[in-house]
Amino acid sequence: AQSVTQLGSHVSVSEGALVLLRCNYSSSVPPYLFWYVQYPNQGLQLLLKYTSAATLVKGINGFEAEFKKSETSFHLTKPSAHMSDAAEYFCAVANSGYSTLTFGKGTMLLVSP
Amino acid sequence: DTAVSQTPKYLVTQMGNDKSIKCEQNLGHDTMYWYKQDSKKFLKIMFSYNNKELIINETVPNRFSPKSPDKAHLNLHINSLELGDSAVYFCASSQVSGLVTDTQYFGPGTRLTVL
Repeated sequence: AQSVTQLGSHVSVSEGALVLLRCNYSSSVPPYLFWYVQYPNQGLQLLLKYTSAATLVKGINGFEAEFKKSETSFHLTKPSAHMSDAAEYFCAVANSGYSTLTFGKGTMLLVSP
Repeated sequence: DTAVSQTPKYLVTQMGNDKSIKCEQNLGHDTMYWYKQDSKKFLKIMFSYNNKELIINETVPNRFSPKSPDKAHLNLHINSLELGDSAVYFCASSQVSGLVTDTQYFGPGTRLTVL
């Protein structure tokens, strides 16, 4: 079965600092991996996805993630945090039939001035 | 011109009642989903429909019954509500195949509180 572990339920950074949100996965098939963002009182929005093409994936709002098979990781980064990045971030992995997503428990990103 | 809309946004009700949540998408997508997000923010798929046909039912109690009158609408009816049903319910849609390679577009959520 597929699973996702997000390390840290909360991450705090200062505005302008590097953002690093960690995600490790387990998958019995070649993984498809996703990062979603949820702003307060809103639905989820896709940031980026890895579907077996380039291992470095660029997404919206300056975010990117690198697929590392040897580490079973798909960490999300952004060079410089903005206040508007404060939100909950979810990592997800596709199931073996690529028909559903299993989500991690989310990481709340807090950005201070 | 909201892409995926849900009504109501908030729903407060007593145990044992029956309630419905409506979802509509104006994206022309073929596949729609219902997700449940619990109090710990854990998000789990409940159902998916492709062209009005049920394709995924993830061991959800049969008190939950999705209904798709057309491919733009997927409603969720819940019978005999229980305290544990309190959660945020998200509707989503994707373009064609129901495969996760298609980007899913989420609605704003319906916060259900069962007293």
